[in-house]
Amino acid sequence: ETGVTQTPRHLVMGMTNKKSLKCEQHLGHNAMYWYKQSAKKPLELMFVYNFKEQTENNSVPSRFSPECPNSSHLFLHLHTLQPEDSALYLCASSQRTGFQGETQYFGPGTRLLVL
Amino acid sequence: KNQVEQSPQSLIILEGKNCTLQCNYTVSPFSNLRWYKQDTGRGPVSLTIMTFSENTKSNGRYTATLDADTKQSSLHITASQLSDSASYICVVSARGSTLGRLYFGRGTQLTVWP
Repeated sequence: ETGVTQTPRHLVMGMTNKKSLKCEQHLGHNAMYWYKQSAKKPLELMFVYNFKEQTENNSVPSRFSPECPNSSHLFLHLHTLQPEDSALYLCASSQRTGFQGETQYFGPGTRLLVL
Repeated sequence: KNQVEQSPQSLIILEGKNCTLQCNYTVSPFSNLRWYKQDTGRGPVSLTIMTFSENTKSNGRYTATLDADTKQSSLHITASQLSDSASYICVVSARGSTLGRLYFGRGTQLTVWP
């Protein structure tokens, strides 16, 4: 295990539902990330948090709303999603951002299906 | 435009055989290159990281090479095992960018058959 956990592992939701994805890291890291992984496409960075502050929003639609209450927890709130939002959502953490030598540790992901 | 291209897209080999995966990139200025292994249903796990001055890095049966002049990297897997079946992702970081700005390849899906 990498020390990064995600719940739920699988989620099916309708376009009018509201749900949240949770990520927790037990590594004492200060930076956390949300990525979207679609079939046959490279990982897409969504959000970056450093010391609980959002430092990157990669032009993500507002139907995705992140929350970082502390350095160990990261949430992704979902509402009025579209079928094309179906994907694997990965959370990652690293000691800090801004240093290219840092390794990111990924969680197992949440497989999301929007009907 | 910064890009990372991997080949082949998928590969099937028999257990015990060797294989080589390729990664070409146009990311500039280059900082480092990583290879990640992603098992089905799991997140990516870092295998190796190489900076501009390194041209070979090994991790057990995995050996990565880097040619910074031609902007190419390869990942060689020796004596493959069934557990090597996974997606292998090449990730390049640009110097001067935030850590969040990584450039990911689409991955090579490796299947090892008994």
